[in-house]
Amino acid sequence: DIQMTQTPSSMPASLGERVTISCRASQGISNYLNWYQQKPDGTIKPLIYYTSNLQSGVPSRFSGSGSGTDYSLTISSLEPEDFAMYYCQQYDSSPWTFGGGTKLELK
Amino acid sequence: QVQLKESGPGLVQPSQTLSLTCTVSGLSLTSNSVSWIRQPPGKGLEWMGVIWSNGGTDYNSAIKSRLSISRDTSKSQVFLKMNSLQTEDTAMYFCARTGSSGFDYWGQGVMVTVSS
Repeated sequence: DIQMTQTPSSMPASLGERVTISCRASQGISNYLNWYQQKPDGTIKPLIYYTSNLQSGVPSRFSGSGSGTDYSLTISSLEPEDFAMYYCQQYDSSPWTFGGGTKLELK
Repeated sequence: QVQLKESGPGLVQPSQTLSLTCTVSGLSLTSNSVSWIRQPPGKGLEWMGVIWSNGGTDYNSAIKSRLSISRDTSKSQVFLKMNSLQTEDTAMYFCARTGSSGFDYWGQGVMVTVSS
């Protein structure tokens, strides 16, 4: 199975700050990498698919990049609703696997 | 609009079988695929398996021997059955539409506790 490692596991940040979350795969995943946001009430929202494509309705302050084994999610200027958990997920090979999550917290 | 909603028993006894239903609206199961994903309390997400639009299935090898996913296209429902439940199967269970853009629509989830 492909292991997905997210760093950091938690990140204190301030409103308006630019933040980047990293995700590393245990082997190359050919850009088959998605990002999801989970709010404290458990609701999960898809953000980005195939490394860098924004899902419909996702604000442009979110962006994704990467290749090979290393990927990242960047939020250019944090808004109050962005403080949540973030997960990466690979779909290069079965079983599809998720990273352990990054908790974005208000500093 | 596309909606998915999970339903099932909140409590299951150890060694018993879990049965969950995902009822979808705004999409047809004959042209859309649906996955089950679970999340133990305070932990991360685990993909369990998918039923493809053609009715074929793929399962996570870690739980494949215990898991079955099926559907009733006329009722727009996808079913999950998992046997030999243990306490570590306690989790929130989600269904999600699955396609080339990933898991792009999610249900709200249903909490399942395995306890005697």
